[in-house]
Parts: sequence; structure tokens; C-alpha cells
Amino acid sequence: QVQLVQSGIEVKKPGASVKVSCGVSGYTFHSYEYNWVRQAPGQGLEWMGWINANNGSTKYARGLQGRVAMTTETSTTTVYMELKSLTSDDTAVYYCARGLGGSRSFHFWGQGTLVIVSS
Amino acid sequence: EIVLTQSPGTLSLSPGERVTLSCRASQSVSSSLAWYQQRPGQAPRLLIYGASSRATGTPDRFSGSGSGTDFTLTISRLEPEDFAVYYCQQYGSSTRTFGPGTKVDVK
Repeated sequence: QVQLVQSGIEVKKPGASVKVSCGVSGYTFHSYEYNWVRQAPGQGLEWMGWINANNGSTKYARGLQGRVAMTTETSTTTVYMELKSLTSDDTAVYYCARGLGGSRSFHFWGQGTLVIVSS
Repeated sequence: EIVLTQSPGTLSLSPGERVTLSCRASQSVSSSLAWYQQRPGQAPRLLIYGASSRATGTPDRFSGSGSGTDFTLTISRLEPEDFAVYYCQQYGSSTRTFGPGTKVDVK
């Protein structure tokens, strides 16, 4: 059974950076794209980007390019999402998600990480 | 970027009713369309992928249809646990996008 386990709540000041982790267990780590999705309070889901764990290629949402970076650490089968230059608009729950087999829809989700940006 | 539009924004219904939710894409995504259910305080859960395939654990009262730009999620008979927000998502483009969601609440 695939499990995605994320790091805990983060509280940051405006202008700071945050790095959220997503530990992957249960299946072959390398064969998938890992996506990040965020949800601001009371709002809908916003796709942030993906990283291909096989070759490290990435694709980011246009509005986040230049501020977001996604990486992987193969030895610990962990995916990271770092977001820089935080503002209050970045306050949200951040989720990692992954497909199954050849499907690129998001079959598996992490539990979510709340990031609060406040002075 | 492919924009997804969902309608209606909110549906107020009673248990036992039939539900039809709509999702329209600004350009063709073929069958690369998924539906997710999100209950308050929970992560989203995949219901349908490939426009019409049920994910593991999805009850058969949920069905998806459509291709190209127009898609539908149908719940044949609403159960109490189905009152939630439903999102469509396309993965036909390397830039994935979600629709704004449809809230199904109790009448």
C-alpha cells in the first residue's frame, strides 16, 4: 500500500522560505511524477507543479515559477517542495500527490501540511 | 493553460436524489480527466480517472462520462457521506489544472 507522509505544520514570517517534505513508502519511488497541490483557507485546489522522480525534470505552475522548487532524495524516497519569498497569500494546506501505474491522476495523497505566513 | 469550468457552483439536495455535475475544459483533454471528492478537513480523494474509470474503493453509484471538452460526474443516489465538494482535474497537458469545485450540500 502506497503511503505519502508529510512534514508538520510550519509558521513563517513574510519574506521567508518554507520546505515541506513528503515521504513515500510502499511502491517503486522512481517510476512516478510527484505533484504538489495547495489549498488556501476556504478556497479550491491549486496545482503547483510536479517532479519526475526518475529523471528530476520539473514543471511548475506559471504563477509560481521563480519561487517554487521541487526536489527528490532517492536514498530516503522523499520529495520536497520549497517555496520562497512567502506572503500571506501563501497561507494554505499543501499536499503531495501521486499517480498509479500509467495513470497521471492523483490516486494517492499525503495528509497535508499547514503553512501559516504571518508577521 | 487549460481552464476548467464547473457547474453549478452549489447544489442543495436531499439524500436519495440523483446528482449530475458538469466540467468543461477550454480545450480538448481527450479522456485525461479526473474527479475528486473532498470532505471538510480531509485531503481530496480520487473518485474517477480517465473520465470514466472508478478508482479503487469508489462506490458504483458514482459514474463519469465524457471526452474532449465536456465531462459529467453522476451520483445515482445520494448517500449522507456524499455531501462534499467535488473537483474535476485535467492531466492531458503537462500543466495540470483543477476546476473551481461544486459543493453538494444538504437541502
